[in-house]
Amino acid sequence: AQSVTQLGSHVSVSEGALVLLRCNYSSSVPPYLFWYVQYPNQGLQLLLKYTSAATLVKGINGFEAEFKKSETSFHLTKPSAHMSDAAEYFCAVSDLTQAGTALIFGKGTTLSVSS
Amino acid sequence: GAVVSQHPSWVICKSGTSVKIECRSLDFQATTMFWYRQFPKQSLMLMATSNEGSKATYEQGVEKDKFLINHASLTLSTLTVTSAHPEDSSFYICSASGAGGYQETQYFGPGTRLLVL
Repeated sequence: AQSVTQLGSHVSVSEGALVLLRCNYSSSVPPYLFWYVQYPNQGLQLLLKYTSAATLVKGINGFEAEFKKSETSFHLTKPSAHMSDAAEYFCAVSDLTQAGTALIFGKGTTLSVSS
Repeated sequence: GAVVSQHPSWVICKSGTSVKIECRSLDFQATTMFWYRQFPKQSLMLMATSNEGSKATYEQGVEKDKFLINHASLTLSTLTVTSAHPEDSSFYICSASGAGGYQETQYFGPGTRLLVL
């Protein structure tokens, strides 16, 4: 069975500081990994995804994540936080080798950015 | 590309009534659609998976007779909450994945907030 653990339900950073949101996964098959962002009262927007190509994945809004198989991690980073980055972030795993496989989500991490 | 819409975005209804939520893929054919439920400050919980033209597959604990899902076309899936009660109040989000370049990723709708009085 697949699972996702997001360490830290709440992360606070100052504007301009490094953002690091942690995600560890468990999967018996090569995983597909995703980071989504959710703003209040909105759906989820895809930030980036790993689908067994390059291990360093660049996404939108300056975010990137690195797939580390040895650590079963897929941490999300951004060099310099912006106020507009404040939102809820979800890490998710799936086995999309099977068509129509659902995503398994972590519990989410709330990112706060202070000026 | 890959836009998914939901309608309505907000709905308030009386206890005992039924509510239908639509999920549409606007620019791609969604062979599979998913319905999630999200409680405040919590993650998304998968309710059911539907493939176009087939019956939906419900997750354990989700009442199929209460949450009716129809995926009659490649661009539309509907979730009907029958005989809604206050405990059904939640944020319902759909997602879609499709053939070709849209297979690897689920694209999410903006969500529908349901309040049952």
